[in-house]
Amino acid sequence: QKEVEQNSGPLSVPEGAIASLNCTYSDRGSQSFFWYRQYSGKSPELIMFIYSNGDKEDGRFTAQLNKASQYVSLLIRDSQPSDSATYLCAVNGWGKSSGDKLTFGTGTRLAVRP
Amino acid sequence: GAGVSQTPSNKVTEKGKYVELRCDPISGHTALYWYRQSLGQGPEFLIYFQGTGAADDSGLPNDRFFAVRPEGSVSTLKIQRTERGDSAVYLCASSLGGLGYNEQFFGPGTRLTVL
Repeated sequence: QKEVEQNSGPLSVPEGAIASLNCTYSDRGSQSFFWYRQYSGKSPELIMFIYSNGDKEDGRFTAQLNKASQYVSLLIRDSQPSDSATYLCAVNGWGKSSGDKLTFGTGTRLAVRP
Repeated sequence: GAGVSQTPSNKVTEKGKYVELRCDPISGHTALYWYRQSLGQGPEFLIYFQGTGAADDSGLPNDRFFAVRPEGSVSTLKIQRTERGDSAVYLCASSLGGLGYNEQFFGPGTRLTVL
């Protein structure tokens, strides 16, 4: 079982729709959770982080965390063609065996159709 | 302010050669991380520095890989006797401190190609 799992996609949504990206993780000791956006040929760019169960909103982005289900998601409202990218879920297990490092999923490719 | 910088942006080398990749973190960030990313994969952890010391080098694949951060700022990743399988994008990230909750910011990466 991979430590961080994401559907590779592509996830295709029309412009203006809500894009929902999902991620599950295996280490129950994971403490913090991050979403990075990566455009083709570029490096990952941090867009959201969440530490506590529940929802966290930042502009058009909402991160959701459910530690009991070991599940984290990212919602993008009013999707724009410029949101088309690969979204990487990353988990930090600080203090546990995984230490202070990020473990990444393979990413979900999002395509927003004009 | 300036972000994480990495040099060179591209490096092409021949199998068996030695390479050095440099990372300059965000000013004031005490934690520095190296990852590498292969096509279609997420970044894979290599090593993490807190200040000058390597706090976790569990991701280094073998003893051909070594990294230093002598003054607690700039770091150099060194790869000896390069192999074709070392070809990847090497990413550096920094954060305010290795406390687990601090966000990591990535540099543009160095694309290493071993012929």
